[in-house]
Amino acid sequence: DSGVTQTPKHLITATGQRVTLRCSPRSGDLSVYWYQQSLDQGLQFLIQYYNGEERAKGNILERFSAQQFPDLHSELNLSSLELGDSALYFCASSVGLAGFEQFFGPGTRLTVL
Amino acid sequence: AQKITQTQPGMFVQEKEAVTLDCTYDTSDPSYGLFWYKQPSSGEMIFLIYQGSYDQQNATEGRYSLNFQKARKSANLVISASQLGDSAMYFCAMRDTNFNKFYFGSGTKLNVKP
Repeated sequence: DSGVTQTPKHLITATGQRVTLRCSPRSGDLSVYWYQQSLDQGLQFLIQYYNGEERAKGNILERFSAQQFPDLHSELNLSSLELGDSALYFCASSVGLAGFEQFFGPGTRLTVL
Repeated sequence: AQKITQTQPGMFVQEKEAVTLDCTYDTSDPSYGLFWYKQPSSGEMIFLIYQGSYDQQNATEGRYSLNFQKARKSANLVISASQLGDSAMYFCAMRDTNFNKFYFGSGTKLNVKP
């Protein structure tokens, strides 16, 4: 158990819908990262927050947004969902900004029908 | 341009033998970090080892070592004394300067045979 929690574990929804994925980092970790893992795209870095502020941005679509709250938990919002958004979404956390050692959550499996 | 290349989609190794998983990277930044992660069939991602571009010595963590050859832009993972529990997908990753984006390779599936 990495200490990072993600909810829900599984999510099934329809195209055009909006969903929110939630992540609670390990106690004491200030950085939260979001990743998308799909069969065709592999593992893609989406975004990083550090102590409430966005610090790095990867291949995150405009339909996706994220935020980190004062209690350091983070949410990833996915809207206007398409079939291709079906993937495993990981959240990870680390103590510092550099992310030398990240602890991953178990992931949320999103299926868009 | 592909930043991280893992050329071995799958590999087999005999239990108790050493195995090297290849990784090459592409960057013009002088400062970067290289990582290896393990993903067992259960799906979780497990951090294994980190190497900074300015580190003089190769990183080691228990049975894992990173063979860092800066001029060749390679960061191969060496697993010594393979165990059945090492069977998993292994991903090489890089973070570029200023702690910007992360880039992941396509992974290598390692199977350890008894």
